[in-house]
Amino acid sequence: EDQVTQSPEALRLQEGESSSLNCSYTVSGLRGLFWYRQDPGKGPEFLFTLYSAGEEKEKERLKATLTKKESFLHITAPKPEDSATYLCAVQPGGSGNTPLVFGKGTRLSVIA
Amino acid sequence: DAGVIQSPRHEVTEMGQEVTLRCKPISGHNSLFWYRQTMMRGLELLIYFNNNVPIDDSGMPEDRFSAKMPNASFSTLKIQPSEPRDSAVYFCASSGTGRAGYTFGSGTRLTVV
Repeated sequence: EDQVTQSPEALRLQEGESSSLNCSYTVSGLRGLFWYRQDPGKGPEFLFTLYSAGEEKEKERLKATLTKKESFLHITAPKPEDSATYLCAVQPGGSGNTPLVFGKGTRLSVIA
Repeated sequence: DAGVIQSPRHEVTEMGQEVTLRCKPISGHNSLFWYRQTMMRGLELLIYFNNNVPIDDSGMPEDRFSAKMPNASFSTLKIQPSEPRDSAVYFCASSGTGRAGYTFGSGTRLTVV
């Protein structure tokens, strides 16, 4: 069964205090690993897709990395506006567009 | 593009009533997904369509739930009769054939009292 586990469930950081969020997964034939950001009352917003172990992607203060078993979302010198829930998802192999399997997310709070 | 459009944004209904949620995917996207989000279970897939054809509805909780996609620009998720445990946020997402991420709508918050 395809499964995604995110840790920690919640994280509270001081502004400027760097940290990492973890996403562990098991999947049959990984086609892609996705990171989304979700603000309260809104739908998930796409951040990154990673396709193979060793791949890295960056956007502003965020950097995502991928190994064969897990992915990390590194947040460097966060600001209060980075506060959100960060969701990790995997896309299993198969024909056509297969649906994403999501973790329960990490709720990040950045305090000024 | 206006993105994925869902309506209504909020729905409050009484137990036993029929509820219909609507979704307009991004033009040109050929896959559409319905997810439900709760605090306890996170985002769960209910059903998805490729080229307007339902592919997997194994996530639909009961026969009370049904979904249709009559054309490439419209889909509905219907609950009949609704129950309090159906209260959740329902999201629609669409995707094309490229390697871009799936795009989500803003969701419908359903409350069944």
